[in-house]
Amino acid sequence: IQMTQSPSSVSASVGDIVTITCQASQAFSGWLAWYQQKPGKAPKLLIYSASSLQTGVPSRFSGSGSGTEFTLTIRGLQPEDFATYYCQQANSFPLTFGGGTKVEIK
Amino acid sequence: EGQLVESGGGLVQPGGSLRLSCVASGFSFRSHELNWVRQAPGKGLEWVSYIGASGITRYYADSVKGRFTISRDNANNSVYLLMNNLRAEDTAVYYCARVFNYLAFDMWGQGTTVTVSS
Repeated sequence: IQMTQSPSSVSASVGDIVTITCQASQAFSGWLAWYQQKPGKAPKLLIYSASSLQTGVPSRFSGSGSGTEFTLTIRGLQPEDFATYYCQQANSFPLTFGGGTKVEIK
Repeated sequence: EGQLVESGGGLVQPGGSLRLSCVASGFSFRSHELNWVRQAPGKGLEWVSYIGASGITRYYADSVKGRFTISRDNANNSVYLLMNNLRAEDTAVYYCARVFNYLAFDMWGQGTTVTVSS
């Protein structure tokens, strides 16, 4: 399953709402995860099963979607949220990631 | 909470071999499935390999199939990645990652760097 993530980068300001989309090459059940990665660090799980918030992750992060289209939304962007975000289909092997979305400061 | 710590990376010539190790602590290692994920310099994440909790079930990305072998030692809380016939395109940071919900990864190591170059 190929995962196409868009946009590849976005410029936003603190307080903004940011939406990132992942489109799958074929439909699957909601086994989709979202990760945040900061430079030089390992990825961090934000969302699993398309819409479940990982423990300890702020509620401004939310996930939605099913079938072939999935979305990560950040409501009220904070300074610590500037990072690169990846989706990952967790439905079947080979596991695949989206190409990433870099959220930059406007 | 637990942690994963990778080691074994380094500089190797094309065609060479390397074995990566990942040692776990702070959680019930034998109950968890594990994976290796890599990230080439300036690039995105690429899943490499999976091993089930018992070590019987294993999967590989097409890009490494036949060259890499994943294994685990539950007695020593360790998972390994034996990499043979290395190519320049295998140059990356290699992360060990624990499976959480179905096949999402909730715990990652800090990564170990593999550089394939002559």
